[in-house]
Amino acid sequence: AQKVTQAQTEISVVEKEDVTLDCVYETRDTTYYLFWYKQPPSGELVFLIRRNSFDEQNEISGRYSWNFQKSTSSFNFTITASQVVDSAVYFCALSEAYSGGGADGLTFGKGTHLIIQP
Amino acid sequence: ETGVTQTPRHLVMGMTNKKSLKCEQHLGHNAMYWYKQSAKKPLELMFVYSLEERVENNSVPSRFSPECPNSSHLFLHLHTLQPEDSALYLCASSHNKGGVLDTGELFFGEGSRLTVL
Repeated sequence: AQKVTQAQTEISVVEKEDVTLDCVYETRDTTYYLFWYKQPPSGELVFLIRRNSFDEQNEISGRYSWNFQKSTSSFNFTITASQVVDSAVYFCALSEAYSGGGADGLTFGKGTHLIIQP
Repeated sequence: ETGVTQTPRHLVMGMTNKKSLKCEQHLGHNAMYWYKQSAKKPLELMFVYSLEERVENNSVPSRFSPECPNSSHLFLHLHTLQPEDSALYLCASSHNKGGVLDTGELFFGEGSRLTVL
């Protein structure tokens, strides 16, 4: 069975601080995808990144960066120089390899509520 | 038009009512999903349709009945709901090409906030 754990329920920082959101996953598959989504107050989940299990390179996109460590089953997300607009709930998710017959959807963590104070 | 549109955005219903949630995707995707988001719980996958066939049903109570008439539309029919069914119901779509490592990113709608009295 697959599982995603986001231990931080809520994080509050002051604008311009760096902040890291933790994600730990469990899966028996060797082939899988990891995702991060952002959920602003409007409700929809906004895709941020997808990483497959064969690619452990870290990725940077503007102020966002992701650290994928298979040895610790972690896929952490760092926001550098945070801004008030970054305030949202952030979800880490996992999908095991599609095994034929249809899509599997994603298994989500409980989310981390990030509050950026001005 | 946004990629995935859900209506209504808010719905209040009694336990004896029958209502439906609608989802429409304009992205040309071939898979659609219903997720339930309750307070302080992870998003729960309810139903998956791939090429208009249901391929996943995670032990969802029969009072929730999905319908996928074509690859662009997905419905969730609701009847005899319970107060604990109050939640945000999110629809998503993706393009799955078939085969191993087929998981594409999901595109979500803004959700339908359901309150059962």
